[in-house]
Amino acid sequence: DAKTTQPNSMESNEEEPVHLPCNHSTISGTDYIHWYRQLPSQGPEYVIHGLTSNVNNRMASLAIAEDRKSSTLILHRATLRDAAVYYCILRGEYNFNKFYFGSGTKLNVKP
Amino acid sequence: GAVVSQHPSWVICKSGTSVKIECRSLDFQATTMFWYRQFPKQSLMLMATSNEGSKATYEQGVEKDKFLINHASLTLSTLTVTSAHPEDSSFYICSARATYTLLDEQYFGPGTRLTVT
Repeated sequence: DAKTTQPNSMESNEEEPVHLPCNHSTISGTDYIHWYRQLPSQGPEYVIHGLTSNVNNRMASLAIAEDRKSSTLILHRATLRDAAVYYCILRGEYNFNKFYFGSGTKLNVKP
Repeated sequence: GAVVSQHPSWVICKSGTSVKIECRSLDFQATTMFWYRQFPKQSLMLMATSNEGSKATYEQGVEKDKFLINHASLTLSTLTVTSAHPEDSSFYICSARATYTLLDEQYFGPGTRLTVT
């Protein structure tokens, strides 16, 4: 299974942008890049996903490198409620769309 | 958005007993559901894939006779932890795959905290 590498933790100030990186150098051509986040004692929450092009939604933006070997989740204005563990996951058609979670990045937002 | 519920949200049981956890997709049909386990300060570990009307497929290292999965309908999957032991204490999370939209997303339940004494 294609693996992802993320920093263990990051810190941000409230109302500032946050860029969360993810490396996935072994990504295959059909793997989608998904981002989920998990608050303590809760199930993961969908954030965004993409294949090749950059994506935007109400929660965040996803910037995908041209060679697709890395991506960046962008929170435009971090709030205290954005403090969570962020997971970057590759979803492949050839592994029955299973999600294999890596260790994720714990984001701490300072007021 | 799509909602997935789990019941119970937490459960305490004695060693040697069995515990059933339910996972329901409330407003969509899910032909595929997934079960995960998460130990404190660790990431989610995929345990098994549950397909409606067929046998579940288990990840390597997961005992199928210990973690019984039944996916009886398009909105319900159950995980039964049989002969539970303290080392089975964990946070169990299910997800349901929504295929009715082009997004083809997985929606996660809130999790069930199992404590085996």
